Formats: sequence, C-alpha cells, structure tokens
Amino acid sequence: QSVLTQPPSVSGAPGQRVTISCTGSSSNIGAGYDVHWYQQVPGSAPKLLTYGPSNRPSGVPERFSVSKSDTSASLAITGLQAEDEADYFCQSYDSSLSASMFGGGTKLTVL
Amino acid sequence: QVQLVESGGGVVQPGGSLRLSCVASGFSFRGYGMHWVRQAPGKGLEWVAVIWYDGNNEYYADSVKGRLTISRDNSKNTLYLEMNSLTAEDTAIYYCARAQAGQDSTGYLDYWGQGTLVTVSS
Repeated sequence: QSVLTQPPSVSGAPGQRVTISCTGSSSNIGAGYDVHWYQQVPGSAPKLLTYGPSNRPSGVPERFSVSKSDTSASLAITGLQAEDEADYFCQSYDSSLSASMFGGGTKLTVL
Repeated sequence: QVQLVESGGGVVQPGGSLRLSCVASGFSFRGYGMHWVRQAPGKGLEWVAVIWYDGNNEYYADSVKGRLTISRDNSKNTLYLEMNSLTAEDTAIYYCARAQAGQDSTGYLDYWGQGTLVTVSS
C-alpha cells in the first residue's frame, strides 16, 4: 500500500474538468515537500507533467494545474481531451522513510 | 536532446543476479543525480534508488536495501543497477530517470528512459 493515496480511477466526458487527489501525511506532503505529477500512456514510459507548486515542463498545456493543502495535493485537468486518457501518478518525498514515494496511480478514462 | 537508454533486462531464476545499465546522452551526465524506478506488470510506479551526481551518496527503498546497488561511471555516462538475491517480487520494468539536480533526493524526475524488463522466474 502506497504512502501517498490516489483514487484508482476517475472519468469525465470531453470538455469536462476532472481532479485527481493525492493524500499523504505529516512526514511527506504535510512536511512541506513538493508534490510532482507524471502522466503515463499505456505502453510508454512516465512523463513529467507538473513539478512543484505550479510548474509545467515545456509543452504541457495550461489545462493541467495543481494545488496543495495540508497533507494532500490535487491535479486538475480542464477541457478534457481524448488524448488525456492515461495513468497519473503523484510523487513526493517522505522524511520518515528517507525515500521518494509515488502514489498508487489513477487511471483517467475519457468517456 | 536528453536520451536515457536502459539495457540488461531478461529472465533470471529466483536467487539469481542481473546488472542493468542506463546510457545517458544529450546532457552533462556528471552534473545530475539519477534514479531507478520500477513498475511491476499492471501495477504502479515504485521508486527504487537514487545516486547523487558524484556517486558519493546513495539511497534505497526499504524493499531493495541490501540486495540492489545503484552506481554510476561518469566517464562512460552510464548508470548501473546491480541486482542480487532476486525474487518474483522483483519482476518489473526498470526505468532510469534523471533527477532535477545533482544532489537532491527529494525532487522530481524530469527525463525517463523507455525501461528494461526483468522477469524472475524458474
């Protein structure tokens, strides 16, 4: 079981907005460590989607945004598109484990 | 452009050993920390280990401590993962990934290789 908890799946119709949560604890997100998000299309390697409080690598659309509060973080995707269908993973650092951690992943289905 | 190419995966018997390699190009390898991350079939991502830019600091997930060893050769732009005492639970795609900085174990992984599959089976 992951230290960072994500819902197994979310879904939405094209054009809609969906959010994916990432719940941690006082030794990771709550301790102030940044949360980063990755997108993995089936059969491909993960790709960095967002990093830190509000950053996106070059080429990632503004439709992807993040927020963080206390011991949790969220990824929001607006204007959902078919190409957004993928698995999404959050990542942070846990001071009690002295290790980087990934959430269990969330499968996004575009209806 | 940044490229990471893993190799060395294959089928190995339980209790066996394997060494994975990751050749980097398109950036100054000696300036960045490097990670190994694995993904069991149909499962999520599991962070395995990180090594700092100069190879002087290594950190591991509890699940692999004492069995897997990360190392690097900056003269060859190559990252390694030595795997010993393998069990079925080590079956996964192993990805190498670049850390955001040289000596930061807490940051993000900005470039990933395509992975190499390790199957532990008799």
